[in-house]
Amino acid sequence: AQTVTQSQPEMSVQEAETVTLSCTYDTSESDYYLFWYKQPPSRQMILVIRQEAYKQQNATENRFSVNFQKAAKSFSLKISDSQLGDAAMYFCAYRSGFATSGTYKYIFGTGTRLKVLA
Amino acid sequence: ETGVTQTPRHLVMGMTNKKSLKCEQHLGHNAMYWYKQSAKKPLELMFVYSLEERVENNSVPSRFSPECPNSSHLFLHLHTLQPEDSALYLCASSQDGQIYTGELFFGEGSRLTVL
Repeated sequence: AQTVTQSQPEMSVQEAETVTLSCTYDTSESDYYLFWYKQPPSRQMILVIRQEAYKQQNATENRFSVNFQKAAKSFSLKISDSQLGDAAMYFCAYRSGFATSGTYKYIFGTGTRLKVLA
Repeated sequence: ETGVTQTPRHLVMGMTNKKSLKCEQHLGHNAMYWYKQSAKKPLELMFVYSLEERVENNSVPSRFSPECPNSSHLFLHLHTLQPEDSALYLCASSQDGQIYTGELFFGEGSRLTVL
């Protein structure tokens, strides 16, 4: 069975600094997707960044980038030039590339709460 | 209209009440989900509907009863709940298929408190 582990329950970063959130996963599948979702306080969860397992190049979305180490099964999120609006819970998620009963299994980590200090 | 809308946002109910949570998606997606979010725990998948057919029920107690009348609407009927069922219930939708990456679009959640 697939698992997703986020070992940092809480992180803090100074405004304008860089922070890295860790995520490891376990799977025997070769085809899958990895995601980072952001859940601001009392607001809906939104996608931050996505990585296809077959792509070697690390995904980047503006100030957000990932370090995808497939062999090590590691998928960390780097936030550069942190802003107050980045304060949120961040969830790492795994999605199987194979459908079971017509749908694709999603596994979430326990989340990392990021605090941004002014 | 935002992509995925959940009502009510907050619900307080007694253990003997019957209530329902509603979810509506305006994205034309073919899959809808109910998740339970409790503090310090991973999101727990409860139910999945694909093309209006329930394809997954993750050993959820029968006091939770889902209903998907069409591809845009999803309900979670609640009956005789327990205090440990208090949580944030999230609805999500996605467009599933081999060519899609299956990003989940979430609603803002319904905060349920069972007294």
